[in-house]
Amino acid sequence: AQSVTQLDSQVPVFEEAPVELRCNYSSSVSVYLFWYVQYPNQGLQLLLKYLSGSTLVKGINGFEAEFNKSQTSFHLRKPSVHISDTAEYFCAVSPHASGGSYIPTFGRGTSLIVHP
Amino acid sequence: KAGVTQTPRYLIKTRGQQVTLSCSPISGHRSVSWYQQTPGQGLQFLFEYFSETQRNKGNFPGRFSGRQFSNSRSEMNVSTLELGDSALYLCASSLDRGPLNEQFFGPGTRLTVL
Repeated sequence: AQSVTQLDSQVPVFEEAPVELRCNYSSSVSVYLFWYVQYPNQGLQLLLKYLSGSTLVKGINGFEAEFNKSQTSFHLRKPSVHISDTAEYFCAVSPHASGGSYIPTFGRGTSLIVHP
Repeated sequence: KAGVTQTPRYLIKTRGQQVTLSCSPISGHRSVSWYQQTPGQGLQFLFEYFSETQRNKGNFPGRFSGRQFSNSRSEMNVSTLELGDSALYLCASSLDRGPLNEQFFGPGTRLTVL
């Protein structure tokens, strides 16, 4: 079984400031890692994913995340945020294929609030 | 290319009733997954369909069921509605099964049970 902990339920930040949204996970098997964004009244949109290889992953809208296996973390960062980045962000893990069970586990979400 | 569409977008039902939600995946996508999103429990996986067969099921009671048609469109049904079933129900489609295939989410159906 897997679990995902997003350490901050809400992160307020001023426009053009850097931001980090934290995500830790636990799993007894190898996992793929994902970050999604959800804007009000919309579904989720994939920001980035870590499948293998380089531990620094770049995604859309200037976001990046670093996979740290020893700390079982996958923190999301952006060097300079915009008002339009205000949204809910979800970290998720999915086990490597094991008998076809691909059930993903999501964190509770972090609300990023960007102030002018 | 049109995105994932879900109908209806909003629904109000009373306890004990049943409801059917519909999802049309992106053209060419064969895998459809359903999720329940609530403030208390967050996002939880309901089930995954591929080639008209349920491939995975989350930890939900038998009142929650679904199906997929030959054109990949999917429906989910909740019978004997309870207050706790009030949630945003999200559908996601992907080309094929597995986490290597990006999931594209619809806007959801917001179900309110009174």
